[in-house]
Amino acid sequence: GQNIDQPTEMTATEGAIVQINCTYQTSGFNGLFWYQQHAGEAPTFLSYNVLDGLEEKGRFSSFLSRSKGYSYLLLKELQMKDSASYLCAVRDSNYQLIWGAGTKLIIKP
Amino acid sequence: TAGITQAPTSQILAAGRSMTLRCTQDMRHNAMYWYRQDLGLGLRLIHYSNTAGTTGKGEVPDGYSVSRANTDDFPLTLASAVPSQTSVYFCASSMGGEDTQYFGPGTRLTVL
Repeated sequence: GQNIDQPTEMTATEGAIVQINCTYQTSGFNGLFWYQQHAGEAPTFLSYNVLDGLEEKGRFSSFLSRSKGYSYLLLKELQMKDSASYLCAVRDSNYQLIWGAGTKLIIKP
Repeated sequence: TAGITQAPTSQILAAGRSMTLRCTQDMRHNAMYWYRQDLGLGLRLIHYSNTAGTTGKGEVPDGYSVSRANTDDFPLTLASAVPSQTSVYFCASSMGGEDTQYFGPGTRLTVL
């Protein structure tokens, strides 16, 4: 079967750095996505990785290791507005997105 | 630009009744999707359409139907609602099947 695993919840302090991990087992791999979802709102696109390595976009970076079936999202200089759920999704061999349940990130002052 | 709009925002529906959730995008995207999101679970694909005139079944299609008469609209119909269809429904679109998906604001549906 196909499976995406992420921690259910994480807590971090404003101004700090947090790493949200995602491991996956899917039938084929055609890229990995990270989305942010604030409570009661739609998911919004953050990053996309298809090759191994680190993609940096401002305060957010995403890393991929295809051989390990592993990715992480790194958030630096945390702000209160970063409190949200972060969704990991893998595009499988049929080009369908398989979604993790999401990691709820709580930022404390 | 509006992007993707969904209607209604929320709805309470009696079991056994039918309902159509509306989704419209103005980005001229070819592909559109319907997902449901339930607490503790990842988004699950209900139906998709890679281009106008074609549709396909996702992971959880039972009890739902879709149509894609034109590029902009992708309605989702529940023929006879059941309480297990209580969920938040998101419509999404992408330029092509290989491109990033962008989501509408969602419809919160409660079936009693």
